[in-house]
Amino acid sequence: QVQLVQSGSELKKPGASVKVSCKASGYTFTSYAMNWVRQAPGQGLEWMGWINTNTGNPTYAQGFTGRFVFSLDTSVSTAYLQISSLKAEDTAVYYCAREGSAYPDYWGQGTLVTVSS
Amino acid sequence: SYELTQPPSVSVSPGQTARITCSGDALPKKYAYWYQQKSGQAPVLVIYEDSKRPSGIPERFSGSSSGTMATLTISGAQVEDEADYYCYSTDSSGNQVFGTGTKVTVL
Repeated sequence: QVQLVQSGSELKKPGASVKVSCKASGYTFTSYAMNWVRQAPGQGLEWMGWINTNTGNPTYAQGFTGRFVFSLDTSVSTAYLQISSLKAEDTAVYYCAREGSAYPDYWGQGTLVTVSS
Repeated sequence: SYELTQPPSVSVSPGQTARITCSGDALPKKYAYWYQQKSGQAPVLVIYEDSKRPSGIPERFSGSSSGTMATLTISGAQVEDEADYYCYSTDSSGNQVFGTGTKVTVL
């Protein structure tokens, strides 16, 4: 069965960086793109963008350029989200979600990133 | 940027019908998808391509779309349907977006 397992919660100081992992299993990793979605505390879902797992080409949504980087390690079927120069407003749950037939179909459990001094 | 607008909240009594709307300019040409998110959990797809129901989703969930509005209907709402619901679609350029979200209360 398809599973996306994300790395655990992170507590970071402002200005630091964080890398969230999303390990896929149960399907051919390079056959489906991977989305990243942010959910700030008490807020809605925000689509951050996606990465083509075949070519490694990322697409970033408006508002998620510059400090946000999507990457892959196809040898271990894992997608990564790295956020640099962290700010308090980056505090959120970050989800990876497989891109099915034009929509996210399978989701990871989410990773809470807390930015606090 | 493209926006999908939903009502912030909908309240319904158990057994009654809840309707959640999603308004967006590109919806006449783009499919709408609906996700249910219960507290502390990842979203779950309940409707895809406007009106199709994934396997395992109860028949009381249905979807429709007309013009610039898509609608998720919960017929005979149950207490376990209490959750946040988000529509999802793309704009004319292919950028993906979630709706603003609707909190459904069943009481």
